[in-house]
Amino acid sequence: GQSLEQPSEVTAVEGAIVQINCTYQTSGFYGLSWYQQHDGGAPTFLSYNALDGLEETGRFSSFLSRSDSYGYLLLQELQMKDSASYFCAVREGVTGGGNKLTFGTGTQLKVEL
Amino acid sequence: EPEVTQTPSHQVTQMGQEVILRCVPISNHLYFYWYRQILGQKVEFLVSFYNNEISEKSEIFDDQFSVERPDGSNFTLKIRSTKLEDSAMYFCASNRGTSGNNEQFFGPGTRLTVL
Repeated sequence: GQSLEQPSEVTAVEGAIVQINCTYQTSGFYGLSWYQQHDGGAPTFLSYNALDGLEETGRFSSFLSRSDSYGYLLLQELQMKDSASYFCAVREGVTGGGNKLTFGTGTQLKVEL
Repeated sequence: EPEVTQTPSHQVTQMGQEVILRCVPISNHLYFYWYRQILGQKVEFLVSFYNNEISEKSEIFDDQFSVERPDGSNFTLKIRSTKLEDSAMYFCASNRGTSGNNEQFFGPGTRLTVL
């Protein structure tokens, strides 16, 4: 079966660094994305890794290890507005018809003062 | 900045009724998707659509569901006979192509409540 596991909840203080892990087991794998979702809102794209290693985009970085079927999202200099749910999502293949995303269970991040 | 729009924002219907959820993807995008999210749960893929046909669908997308691109701008999801368990937030998404990071742009969603 397919599964993407994440911690259900993480709490951190403003200004800190937090890491959200994702382990996946899918029938195919082409890349790992991260999406942020505020309560009642739409998922918004944060980052994508197709190759092993670290991708940095401002305060957010994402890491992938294909051999370990593992990735993480690193959020630095946490701000209150970062309080949201974070989902990893696997892109299973490249087809001419588009690429569905298989989402993880989601991690609710709470940033405290 | 271009964005995906969805209407209505909230739809309440009786079990067994048909509903049509509407989406306007970003204008130069070619690939369209529907996802759903039951309250408090993860986002689940329903269907992808490209070149006027379904390219992939999930087990959730059974015969009660259909999609259509009736004109050059709208993309619709129809549920023929709604069930209680269809209550969820339905998100439309689109992207330009499958190269690069496959970033999908999500609309604000339609909250469907089946009574």
